[in-house]
Amino acid sequence: QSVLTQPPSASGTPGQRVTISCSGSSSNIGSNTVNWYHQLPGTAPKLLIYSNNQRPSGVPDRFSGSKSGTSASLAISGLQSEDEADYYCAAWDDSLNVWVFGGGTKLTVL
Amino acid sequence: EVQLLESGGGLVQPGGSLRLSCAASGFTFSNHGMSWVRQAPGKGLEWVSAISGSGGGTYYADSVKGRFTISRDNSKSTLHLQMNSLRAEDTAVYYCAKFRYSRPGAENNWFDPWGQGTLVTVSS
Repeated sequence: QSVLTQPPSASGTPGQRVTISCSGSSSNIGSNTVNWYHQLPGTAPKLLIYSNNQRPSGVPDRFSGSKSGTSASLAISGLQSEDEADYYCAAWDDSLNVWVFGGGTKLTVL
Repeated sequence: EVQLLESGGGLVQPGGSLRLSCAASGFTFSNHGMSWVRQAPGKGLEWVSAISGSGGGTYYADSVKGRFTISRDNSKSTLHLQMNSLRAEDTAVYYCAKFRYSRPGAENNWFDPWGQGTLVTVSS
């Protein structure tokens, strides 16, 4: 059971907008910034969003992040087939002094 | 270009030991905290351990505390993970990752980049 809760799956058709939620608590998301990673099959995870809503260079502006209270969301607009991947949220937990991840969301482009 | 290259994975019997290494290049190694994250076959990401840039601060997941030891050699830009008393549930791909800041729990910190991973299989 992961400390951060994500839906196991999400789906959309090309061009649609999808959102993936990440729910935590006051000691992790409520106190610290959230980062998002995506992972294509057979490859290492890559940073997608950092500090709640910042995109690293090279990440399209179709990807956006937000945070409110103890929850965070990743939105992908203009869905493309290459967006099919696993998506993970992560945050530092002040109470446990550990990094915590969400269980991951498998995004399918129909 | 920042590069992280893990090594040391392999097949080990339950109760055995293994030492993973992560060779870093392309950045000032001692300025950045480092971490190990693992992924069991078909499962999600699980944070394992982290260490501050100086090596003075170490952090562990409960699942490995007392069995794994993280360390670093800043003179060789290398991160290590000594894994003892290995169990079947430790079977996973182990990734090393670089923190933006020295202290793993620092505000606004994140993992980037990640290495390509090394597979550890614990089985008799």
